[in-house]
Amino acid sequence: AQKVTQAQTEISVVEKEDVTLDCVYETRDTTYYLFWYKQPPSGELVFLIRRNSFDEQNEISGRYSWNFQKSTSSFNFTITASQVVDSAVYFCALSALNSGGSNYKLTFGKGTLLTVNP
Amino acid sequence: GAVVSQHPSRVICKSGTSVKIECRSLDFQATTMFWYRQFPKQSLMLMATSNEGSKATYEQGVEKDKFLINHASLTLSTLTVTSAHPEDSSFYICSARIGGTTTTQYFGPGTRLLVL
Repeated sequence: AQKVTQAQTEISVVEKEDVTLDCVYETRDTTYYLFWYKQPPSGELVFLIRRNSFDEQNEISGRYSWNFQKSTSSFNFTITASQVVDSAVYFCALSALNSGGSNYKLTFGKGTLLTVNP
Repeated sequence: GAVVSQHPSRVICKSGTSVKIECRSLDFQATTMFWYRQFPKQSLMLMATSNEGSKATYEQGVEKDKFLINHASLTLSTLTVTSAHPEDSSFYICSARIGGTTTTQYFGPGTRLLVL
């Protein structure tokens, strides 16, 4: 079985602060994929990043960065210099080749509601 | 690229009627499409997985006779909520996967269903 835990239910910051969203996962598979999605108030899920289990390189995309640590089964997401438009629910998700089957089903965390105040 | 659309975006219907929701991949062919349900302030719950040309695979606890899924082409999947009741009111989201070894799912904008 696979599981994704996002321990932070809600986070509130002031604009320009840095914020890190935590994600811890569990899987028995050695091949798996980790994702982050953003869900703004409109409801649509926006794909942010995919990382496979064999690539532990951290990634930076503009103000976004991701820290993948297999040793702690974590895939944390940091927003630097947060902006009001970053306010959304952020979901971490896991897809494991064997557990998810050939359809690569996603297991989602419960999400973290980020509110960035002006 | 990788745009998924859903129609309608909102629907209000009377109890007992059936509602059809369409999910289309606009700029790619989707071998697999997924249907999720999301209650307010909760995570996404996978309802079923559909592959083009074959029967959908439903998750445990999801009634296949109530939630009819058809994946008639590589760009279109439909979810029909039959004999809808107020407890079926929810946010329904579809996603599509390109295929092969690509694991990323691209999501539609969702459909808000309200059953009166």
